[in-house]
Amino acid sequence: QKEVEQDPGPLSVPEGAIVSLNCTYSNSAFQYFMWYRQYSRKGPELLMYTYSSGNKEDGRFTAQVDKSSKYISLFIRDSQPSDSATYLCAMKGNQAGTALIFGKGTTLSVSS
Amino acid sequence: GAGVSQSPRYKVAKRGQDVALRCDPISGHVSLFWYQQALGQGPEFLTYFQNEAQLDKSGLPSDRFFAERPEGSVSTLKIQRTQQEDSAVYLCASSGGLNTEAFFGQGTRLTVV
Repeated sequence: QKEVEQDPGPLSVPEGAIVSLNCTYSNSAFQYFMWYRQYSRKGPELLMYTYSSGNKEDGRFTAQVDKSSKYISLFIRDSQPSDSATYLCAMKGNQAGTALIFGKGTTLSVSS
Repeated sequence: GAGVSQSPRYKVAKRGQDVALRCDPISGHVSLFWYQQALGQGPEFLTYFQNEAQLDKSGLPSDRFFAERPEGSVSTLKIQRTQQEDSAVYLCASSGGLNTEAFFGQGTRLTVV
């Protein structure tokens, strides 16, 4: 079993839909949780960065972390065709300099 | 610079050839990471530098892989005697502190033929 599990999709939704993307993890030492967006043939772009449990909102994006369930989510409201990309969850422990552990990525397609 | 810069963007190598991939991190960033991303997968850790010190190289898949960051800024990932299984996108990321956000470059897509 991988440390971070993420359903690769693909996920197809119509424009304006609310999208829910999720990851589960097994390592209780993870404290920092991130979501990256990756367009085809581009590098990952940081969307959300959270520490420990709770919610964080930034525009149309909301990140949730539930450490008791080892479950993180990214919600996208009013999805747009430009949101079509692969979304990667990533996480790391508290120790300085430790590497990010990524999920496989979920491919999202938003149709107009 | 404005972001993490990697070169070349694309590299085709014949099997057995040596390659060198370059990463220019964001100016002043202390931490630098190399990741390997296979098709349809998330990035996987290769190695980590704090300034010029290589503190973790546990992810390097074999002794054919070597990385350096001699002056604590630009880094080079070298792969000797490339094999087909080395074909992947190699990503570099930098962060300003020891537990702060990591920003990625566009990656180098290596194809070994």
